[in-house]
Amino acid sequence: DAEITQSPRHKITETGRQVTLACHQTWNHNNMFWYRQDLGHGLRLIHYSYGVQDTNKGEVSDGYSVSRSNTEDLPLTLESAASSQTSVYFCASSARQGDIYGYTFGSGTRLTVV
Amino acid sequence: LAKTTQPISMDSYEGQEVNITCSHNNIATNDYITWYQQFPSQGPRFIIQGYKTKVTNEVASLFIPADRKSSTLSLPRVSLSDTAVYYCLASLDSGNTPLVFGKGTRLSVIA
Repeated sequence: DAEITQSPRHKITETGRQVTLACHQTWNHNNMFWYRQDLGHGLRLIHYSYGVQDTNKGEVSDGYSVSRSNTEDLPLTLESAASSQTSVYFCASSARQGDIYGYTFGSGTRLTVV
Repeated sequence: LAKTTQPISMDSYEGQEVNITCSHNNIATNDYITWYQQFPSQGPRFIIQGYKTKVTNEVASLFIPADRKSSTLSLPRVSLSDTAVYYCLASLDSGNTPLVFGKGTRLSVIA
């Protein structure tokens, strides 16, 4: 079955380190997204991509970058981790299926920056 | 994209029907209404999507009146496992604009 997987599920890193969170989907969806979720803020969009070599900034993109070299993967990089980036990160992909256009989310990565 | 407003929280007993109303006064002609469900420690899950009138699937029903300024998600006979956060979103059907999530409605089902 097609799926979207995120790794790692949990990570602890130190302030200032570069961290990359992986997102891999086997749906063959062109659209992929990264969100972060914090208490009191709901889900906020970080970056998104509508296809290979396409990337766009979302609402809270400062300190993050993405690259899209193939359809399946959209890794999220924290250039220099900060404590404010402690959060749960969700990756999603989307496509139209019949009359429905919907997102499929991964299980999330809980990142702690100490 | 139209801003949506929904209650912060709701409580219900098991076996009852739950209706969560969402307001979207500025909804655009091309916007669809979509609801997602999120359990703790999981990503949101698509529940239902509609444009107008009524849509029903195996999980829920979605009622959208003719003026489309509001919508109601109806969950029949809820169980404890329906305890979750429910998000109402107005989005373009084409998917050309990313979804913007609000804070959702936290539904607590009580035995």
